[in-house]
Amino acid sequence: AQSVTQLDSQVPVFEEAPVELRCNYSSSVSVYLFWYVQYPNQGLQLLLKYLSGSTLVESINGFEAEFNKSQTSFHLRKPSVHISDTAEYFCAVMANSGGYQKVTFGIGTKLQVIP
Amino acid sequence: DGGITQSPKYLFRKEGQNVTLSCEQNLNHDAMYWYRQDPGQGLRLIYYSQIVNDFQKGDIAEGYSVSREKKESFPLTVTSAQKNPTAFYLCASSQGGYSNQPQHFGDGTRLSIL
Repeated sequence: AQSVTQLDSQVPVFEEAPVELRCNYSSSVSVYLFWYVQYPNQGLQLLLKYLSGSTLVESINGFEAEFNKSQTSFHLRKPSVHISDTAEYFCAVMANSGGYQKVTFGIGTKLQVIP
Repeated sequence: DGGITQSPKYLFRKEGQNVTLSCEQNLNHDAMYWYRQDPGQGLRLIYYSQIVNDFQKGDIAEGYSVSREKKESFPLTVTSAQKNPTAFYLCASSQGGYSNQPQHFGDGTRLSIL
């Protein structure tokens, strides 16, 4: 069994301030980790992914996440947020089980950037 | 461009009516998924299909049905047995199997009750 916990349902932050969205997971097997972003009335867009190798992964729009195996965490960070970053962010964990990709999503964190 | 197309974007259902949500992908993905999204509950898996002519129930399949007659298409029917169908429905696809590549999502269908 696997699970994902996003510790904050809403995070307000002032424009140009740093932000961290927290994600913890549990799994009995090796997993792959993802962050998705969702804008209102749209689907989920992949923001970044950890598959293997370097534990720090980056997106093209300045977000980064670090895989911490000992703490089973995959927190998302950005050093300076912009108004356009206002959205809902979902952490997801995936494991391969019997030829099936089992994906579990967190409940999401709404990031509100305040001008 | 490759992607996933969901239609319609908005759908209204009358009492006792079945409605079908369309999902088409041109990514040549083997696996397809349907999720239901409700505020504060994240995404919950309704059905998934790993290959044509095969599909499996997810966590909340009651009141829903699917078919997978073509690789590109995975329609979802919300039946009258689903008593609380108002939600945002998301279709996704992936390579499936032992791939480590993530799921891709469509833009969703919002279903409401008249």
